[in-house]
Amino acid sequence: SYVLTQPPSVSVAPGKTASIICGGDNIGSKSVHWYQQRPGQAPVLVVYDDSNRPSGIPERFSGSNSGNTATLIISRVEAGDEADYYCQVWDSTSDRHYVFGSGTKVTVL
Amino acid sequence: EVQLVESGGDLVQPGGSLRLSCAASGFSVTDNFLTWVRQAPGKGLECVSVIYNDGSAFYAASVKGRFTILRDHSKNTLYLQMKSLTPEDTALYYCARVRVTLIENWGQGTLVTVSS
Repeated sequence: SYVLTQPPSVSVAPGKTASIICGGDNIGSKSVHWYQQRPGQAPVLVVYDDSNRPSGIPERFSGSNSGNTATLIISRVEAGDEADYYCQVWDSTSDRHYVFGSGTKVTVL
Repeated sequence: EVQLVESGGDLVQPGGSLRLSCAASGFSVTDNFLTWVRQAPGKGLECVSVIYNDGSAFYAASVKGRFTILRDHSKNTLYLQMKSLTPEDTALYYCARVRVTLIENWGQGTLVTVSS
């Protein structure tokens, strides 16, 4: 089964930029999606298809994907961005299903 | 507007059974991919089952043979039938609607606790 690897935590000062990486074998060939999950809430899609933002998501959220690493970038970080972030791909190589990374806790200092 | 409302979570003893329901509105459960994603306390997200619009299904290795995903067109409802539950199945279970490769809509979750 396909495996996605994320760092457990990232800390960032307000107004700075946070980068959250998601590693996977040749992940650049897949579409990567990112979800934000605040405590006690369901996940919310913040970036889809590597670098696209759903309506209502601030332009501060962006993404990239190449080689073995996908990246979620949060610019001008705000206190409200403190949350867990998960990357996700669709594994179509064996059983078709949805694979999540282990999640990264973003702490705003 | 798409809405997903889960129910059926409860405290159950090890070895017990439970059926989760997910009432859908704003779309047809038979025309979409749907999935159950669970989150154990303090842990990450895990896709445990998917049902595709052709009726075929995926089950994670951890639940295969114990969980069954079903849908009822007349009630526009998705189900997850669970048996032989263990403490490792304790989690918040989310019902979600899929769009191609991503999860587009989530419910608020229903809590399953397996404990004696």
